[in-house]
Amino acid sequence: DAGVIQSPRHEVTEMGQEVTLRCKPISGHNSLFWYRQTMMRGLELLIYFNNNVPIDDSGMPEDRFSAKMPNASFSTLKIQPSEPRDSAVYFCANRRVMTGNTIYFGEGSWLTVV
Amino acid sequence: ILNVEQSPQSLHVQEGDSTNFTCSFPSSNFYALHWYRWETAKSPEALFVMTLNGDEKKKGRISATLNTKEGYSYLYIKGSQPEDSATYLCAFRGGSEKLVFGKGTKLTVNP
Repeated sequence: DAGVIQSPRHEVTEMGQEVTLRCKPISGHNSLFWYRQTMMRGLELLIYFNNNVPIDDSGMPEDRFSAKMPNASFSTLKIQPSEPRDSAVYFCANRRVMTGNTIYFGEGSWLTVV
Repeated sequence: ILNVEQSPQSLHVQEGDSTNFTCSFPSSNFYALHWYRWETAKSPEALFVMTLNGDEKKKGRISATLNTKEGYSYLYIKGSQPEDSATYLCAFRGGSEKLVFGKGTKLTVNP
């Protein structure tokens, strides 16, 4: 199993540009989470999906952030327009509901907005 | 707002020392407590998932205990090695799918 695959691994972009982060979850894992890691706030949950349906997006910081999961094998997190304070590591994580508690993380997308 | 606290924030030990750190979490509406190990530029790696009060789990030189009534968990590392250097994260799960993470304890083991 390839694990959770995220892309891009690193992105540097200018303020105001659109950023799209992608996640391919582990096959058969039907819960998907987007987290943001910063020094100040640690790991924060932005949004999670069960069976491709957004369940809780209360952690999404503002309207500039949006997330979609069009099917069980793909999810995106979009920031438009991006700002320097969005610079962080964005993690996608999965869990197979009903068969265990362990959540598996991708390697993260390191975003720098200048 | 759920509060998960970890202490200390960072820790430097010598190779061979044993060490431990703390995670405190809400004592109500408990479902599970997770420990992760995170090396920069890698995926956070699951160490333990603990669900029962009094649970003790062990993986090699690393072990963890859980007290859900008072809301704390300890992570122990016996005979620390330089490769144990990482950030150790705990995460609380209550009545929903959400994991609420602490800010982590950054461990550095000096050779």
